[in-house]
Amino acid sequence: SAVISQKPSRDICQRGTSLTIQCQVDSQVTMMFWYRQQPGQSLTLIATANQGSEATYESGFVIDKFPISRPNLTFSTLTVSNMSPEDSSIYLCSATTSGRGLYEQYFGPGTRLTVT
Amino acid sequence: RKEVEQDPGPFNVPEGATVAFNCTYSNSASQSFFWYRQDCRKEPKLLMSVYSSGNEDGRFTAQLNRASQYISLLIRDSKLSDSATYLCVVNQGSYQLTFGKGTKLSVIP
Repeated sequence: SAVISQKPSRDICQRGTSLTIQCQVDSQVTMMFWYRQQPGQSLTLIATANQGSEATYESGFVIDKFPISRPNLTFSTLTVSNMSPEDSSIYLCSATTSGRGLYEQYFGPGTRLTVT
Repeated sequence: RKEVEQDPGPFNVPEGATVAFNCTYSNSASQSFFWYRQDCRKEPKLLMSVYSSGNEDGRFTAQLNRASQYISLLIRDSKLSDSATYLCVVNQGSYQLTFGKGTKLSVIP
C-alpha cells in the first residue's frame, strides 16, 4: 500500500477565492485521482491526474474550475477555483500502486472545505 | 439504474452477531470489486478485494456472483470496532472506481 498525505486538512474560504490542495505519496505510484465527497454522499471522481500532462476530467467537472497538476510520480495538486458554497465538500486524493493489487486505491485523509 | 447499489441500512446489530451486506452493479464488463470501510469523518480504507469466486479474511468473507452481478460481505462475530460505513466499489475496466453510497453498520454492546 501507499501512505498518502494531504494539506491543508481543512479550510474555511470566502466565496470567489481559490484553494489549492496538495497530495503527497510516500512511494512512486501508477495513477493518482481526485474525488469529492459531499455531506452524506459517496465519493465522486473529479479527475485522473496524469503525470506531465493535462488531467482527465469526469463528466460535470472542468479544468477551469478544478485545475490539476501532477509534476512527478508522487505529488499532485487540485485547485478549487472561484469557490461558491456549493463547493463545500471533502476532497480526497487517491493513488494506485503497481503490482498485485493493480486496481486497489489508497486514499489520503481528505481536505474538508467550507465555503462561506 | 444506479451503477452500484447497496442495502440502504443502517444495520444495528449486537456484538457477536453475523451481518451481511449486499451490493449489485449494473455494468457486466466490470472486472474488479472491492469493499472499503469508512469511519466517520475519515477517508475510505480498503477492507478487501473480492476475487473471482470470493475470499475470506478472518471474520470477513466476500463473495462475487458475476452471473447475477452481485457482491456480498459477511461479517462474523461483530465487534464494536466494526461500526463504520461499508462501501461497495467496482472497477469497470480502467483504473477508475465507482463507489456505492455505502451501508452504515452500528454494532451495539
